[in-house]
Amino acid sequence: NAGVTQTPKFRVLKTGQSMTLLCAQDMNHEYMYWYRQDPGMGLRLIHYSVGEGTTAKGEVPDGYNVSRLKKQNFLLGLESAAPSQTSVYFCASSPRLLAGGIADTQYFGPGTRLTVL
Amino acid sequence: AQSVTQLGSHVSVSEGALVLLRCNYSSSVPPYLFWYVQYPNQGLQLLLKYTSAATLVKGINGFEAEFKKSETSFHLTKPSAHMSDAAEYFCAVSAPSGSARQLTFGSGTQLTVLP
Repeated sequence: NAGVTQTPKFRVLKTGQSMTLLCAQDMNHEYMYWYRQDPGMGLRLIHYSVGEGTTAKGEVPDGYNVSRLKKQNFLLGLESAAPSQTSVYFCASSPRLLAGGIADTQYFGPGTRLTVL
Repeated sequence: AQSVTQLGSHVSVSEGALVLLRCNYSSSVPPYLFWYVQYPNQGLQLLLKYTSAATLVKGINGFEAEFKKSETSFHLTKPSAHMSDAAEYFCAVSAPSGSARQLTFGSGTQLTVLP
């Protein structure tokens, strides 16, 4: 199993350009997440999905859109990139929730390093 | 809503010395707690998790953490540091309130192991 993979690994955009980051998992997990990682701020949740065809906003959703048309894929889109979106983006997936709907272990991809000039 | 505070953004220890990385949480209900490790240019990998069973949790690579409700802490320890332990470590909390399906991460602690 490849686990969680992310495409591309690196990308440089100019302000105003658009792009899509692809996350794929081969573990048949229901739950998928997009995070951004910035120095000194840990990981912040952008959007997440609790199953195929569903999406929900996380802590920092502005400027991003997502889609989960297939269970194994979770796409993150930037419609008009801004320098503030320069970051490392991580995708994660999880097979289940714990009792009470609590998040369980998440499995992370290797990340996409995005620079917006 | 839950939150996590990691004291010390950078910690340095000598090889063979005790590793202690601090994590304090805030939650109005009993939480579940996680420690993840991130090696350079890689994603996060689970070290261990506490899910209300034993308060002392053993993880991979010789790490362990103890849940102390009275101190709202979940500190990570390893008796003897190895050079390969150099990485960034994140504490995370999940609780049955607020954003129940989400993990909330601390800001991370960079561990340096000196020869």
